[in-house]
Amino acid sequence: GNSVTQMEGPVTLSEEAFLTINCTYTATGYPSLFWYVQYPGEGLQLLLKATKADDKGSNKGFEATYRKETTSFHLEKGSVQVSDSAVYFCALSDQGSNYKLTFGKGTLLTVNP
Amino acid sequence: DTAVSQTPKYLVTQMGNDKSIKCEQNLGHDTMYWYKQDSKKFLKIMFSYNNKELIINETVPNRFSPKSPDKAHLNLHINSLELGDSAVYFCASSQAGGYQETQYFGPGTRLLVL
Repeated sequence: GNSVTQMEGPVTLSEEAFLTINCTYTATGYPSLFWYVQYPGEGLQLLLKATKADDKGSNKGFEATYRKETTSFHLEKGSVQVSDSAVYFCALSDQGSNYKLTFGKGTLLTVNP
Repeated sequence: DTAVSQTPKYLVTQMGNDKSIKCEQNLGHDTMYWYKQDSKKFLKIMFSYNNKELIINETVPNRFSPKSPDKAHLNLHINSLELGDSAVYFCASSQAGGYQETQYFGPGTRLLVL
């Protein structure tokens, strides 16, 4: 079955530091890959996505590239802000699993001023 | 102008009670979902509905019964609540359920069973 593995958190950074959150996946088909973000006390919202190999998703300074050869979709940001503090979820869906997302366990990011 | 809304936001109840959570989306989407987030933040699909029809039931105890009166609503009824049902329940929707689509999540319902 499908699965998503994210780096264990929590991750604590100072403002303006570089961020990487690793994500690797296992899927039976050719999945679409997503990063969702959950701010404290809120629901999830899409941060970015990529639907085929070598696509790069980007939003709000965050980027992730769909790497089929390494089955990875690592999230990066060059300079984090305090407002980026949240839980980040990597997720996938593929043609064999329409109608659902498979999530990683989430990574808590705290950015200190 | 909330896209996906849930009520109530918080629900505290005793073991053995029956409770319902309501979800509504105003995005015109055909597909709606229920996810459960446990205390460690792990998210897992429970149910998916497309055009009011059940598509996915992910080995959820039959104490949980979803109902979709129309495409814009997906409610979750839970019978005989147990301590282990304490979690945050998220409703979501997407256009048609395809694997490339973005899912839009509600704010969550925090259920505490005492």
